[in-house]
Amino acid sequence: AQSVTQPDIHITVSEGASLELRCNYSYGATPYLFWYVQSPGQGLQLLLKYFSGDTLVQGIKGFEAEFKRSQSSFNLRKPSVHWSDAAEYFCAVGAAGSARQLTFGSGTQLTVLP
Amino acid sequence: DAGVIQSPRHEVTEMGQEVTLRCKPISGHDYLFWYRQTMMRGLELLIYFNNNVPIDDSGMPEDRFSAKMPNASFSTLKIQPSEPRDSAVYFCASSPGLQETQYFGPGTRLLVL
Repeated sequence: AQSVTQPDIHITVSEGASLELRCNYSYGATPYLFWYVQSPGQGLQLLLKYFSGDTLVQGIKGFEAEFKRSQSSFNLRKPSVHWSDAAEYFCAVGAAGSARQLTFGSGTQLTVLP
Repeated sequence: DAGVIQSPRHEVTEMGQEVTLRCKPISGHDYLFWYRQTMMRGLELLIYFNNNVPIDDSGMPEDRFSAKMPNASFSTLKIQPSEPRDSAVYFCASSPGLQETQYFGPGTRLLVL
């Protein structure tokens, strides 16, 4: 069965600092990987996704993520965080070529200090 | 496109009452998903439909929960009778294919007293 681990429950960074949110997955074949963001009281918005090809994926709002098969990771990065980035971030994995659906990580809450 | 639409956005009810949550997926999307989000369990898939047919309902917690999709543009999730432990945010999502991006609605925040 596929699974996703987000080891950091809560991260605090200062505005303008760089950000990296960790995501590790478990799946036997090539996964489909996603990062979603959820602002307070809102639904989930897709930031970026990886299906195949270039392992460095660019998303919206200046975010990027890198798929590293050897480390089973799909970490999310942003070079300079804005106060509006404060939200909860979810990593999700979907199994390619099968009938399985998305499995979400437990989320990482991001706080941005002024 | 207006995106996935859910109603109501907030629902407060008393234990034992029937609750019906509604979802309108994005037009042309063949897949519809219902999720539940709680602090304790995170985001859980309850059920998903393909072309209006329920495919996997293994995530539905118990018989008090039921979901229908009478047509391509409408789905309901019903809880009868509701219990306080059903309090959560319920999300609907749709996608054009099973392994394609799922687009989420704003959610229904349910509180059962």
